[in-house]
Amino acid sequence: DAGITQSPRHKVTETGTPVTLRCHQTENHRYMYWYRQDPGHGLRLIHYSYGVKDTDKGEVSDGYSVSRSKTEDFLLTLESATSSQTSVYFCAISAPGEETQYFGPGTRLLVL
Amino acid sequence: SQQGEEDPQALSIQEGENATMNCSYKTSINNLQWYRQNSGRGLVHLILIRSNEREKHSGRLRVTLDTSKKSSSLLITASRAADTASYFCATDGAGYSGGGADGLTFGKGTHLIIQP
Repeated sequence: DAGITQSPRHKVTETGTPVTLRCHQTENHRYMYWYRQDPGHGLRLIHYSYGVKDTDKGEVSDGYSVSRSKTEDFLLTLESATSSQTSVYFCAISAPGEETQYFGPGTRLLVL
Repeated sequence: SQQGEEDPQALSIQEGENATMNCSYKTSINNLQWYRQNSGRGLVHLILIRSNEREKHSGRLRVTLDTSKKSSSLLITASRAADTASYFCATDGAGYSGGGADGLTFGKGTHLIIQP
């Protein structure tokens, strides 16, 4: 998985609680991404980052925030989790000038 | 909105046969990529074809791109049981700076099952 780890790998939480997912890379790649994968929708981009403290919204950013204080870490926060945010979340990385993205193993989140 | 759409949604063939999956997209692109996802795992990049290319090969994979029809196909020859997975096409946008900086747009995927 190209030196990308995600934590936790599985999480069950209750509606209304805050949740933070962590993506950690050892590749020193500049670009990082958060996607969610749902049946019938494929992968959809939530947020992405061009570099430290440089982030932007993707297609489905409502209800999510991100932070990137270090090159190697990209955090995804659900401020108040809802059942519609039950999904599998994938982190990906890429390098400038390289179109290929490398994906982490994913985090399964269940919001009850 | 979803850019790529794969067809068929599911495909079951016998080991040794060829598998063909198709992808259609809606807007101009710089390149189109195919990824594989084994059950419960992250996506793995297979092959990239640029908008000025019509065909590309990598091992048992053959990808074609028709920008006039906004479509691509992935052919896996001599399929093996290990090819059982979901396959996704992904596009960037021609307006992007390149390097994938703005993220990719994925289709919904084709689930391929290779029967032994």
